[in-house]
Amino acid sequence: DTEVTQTPKHLVMGMTNKKSLKCEQHMGHRAMYWYKQKAKKPPELMFVYSYEKLSINESVPSRFSPECPNSSLLNLHLHALQPEDSALYLCASSQDLALAYEQYFGPGTRLTVT
Amino acid sequence: AQSVTQLDSQVPVFEEAPVELRCNYSSSVSVYLFWYVQYPNQGLQLLLKYLSGSTLVESINGFEAEFNKSQTSFHLRKPSVHISDTAEYFCAVSLNSGYSTLTFGKGTMLLVSP
Repeated sequence: DTEVTQTPKHLVMGMTNKKSLKCEQHMGHRAMYWYKQKAKKPPELMFVYSYEKLSINESVPSRFSPECPNSSLLNLHLHALQPEDSALYLCASSQDLALAYEQYFGPGTRLTVT
Repeated sequence: AQSVTQLDSQVPVFEEAPVELRCNYSSSVSVYLFWYVQYPNQGLQLLLKYLSGSTLVESINGFEAEFNKSQTSFHLRKPSVHISDTAEYFCAVSLNSGYSTLTFGKGTMLLVSP
């Protein structure tokens, strides 16, 4: 199984809402990543978890709050977002950080903030 | 730090024509190189990768790329494209020592028309 799953596929939320994105993998990978991708742009790294601990935060605003409850699951909690946060949010995983170059990507969650 | 340049933001071609998508990288140390494909409204899929060994790497759907160290290039080619190859193509680089995540180019949109 080389699949990373993400739910929901689409999400529309208001600026005062609280919502969460979910990412799951069952490949035994110990590194997981969140990316943000705007239209016609490459993915931008947001967070990296290694062995369920946050390793990298690329200066992401606090309205984005990641969580890694176990080695298979990665959440991204959203609160008080702005319209400019509308984007495709991609999750990825790799066997571990030393193999960060070999990432498997999920299909993404298309987020629209109104 | 490493960087990736994809000079062509869009490449229009006719079906069954050959295509080359250009990718150049910059790095002071050895790198791994990747091509990812993103079909409309989907996540990223690894198309092919160069880690070591033969400088010519091939994908299962007819694409190939050649690592050229002297020209710091990793151009993607296909001798005959299909309508279904219409997608965004991202070149990415990673350092091959220590922890290094992916650095993406800006992407090239391949538009195949009948």
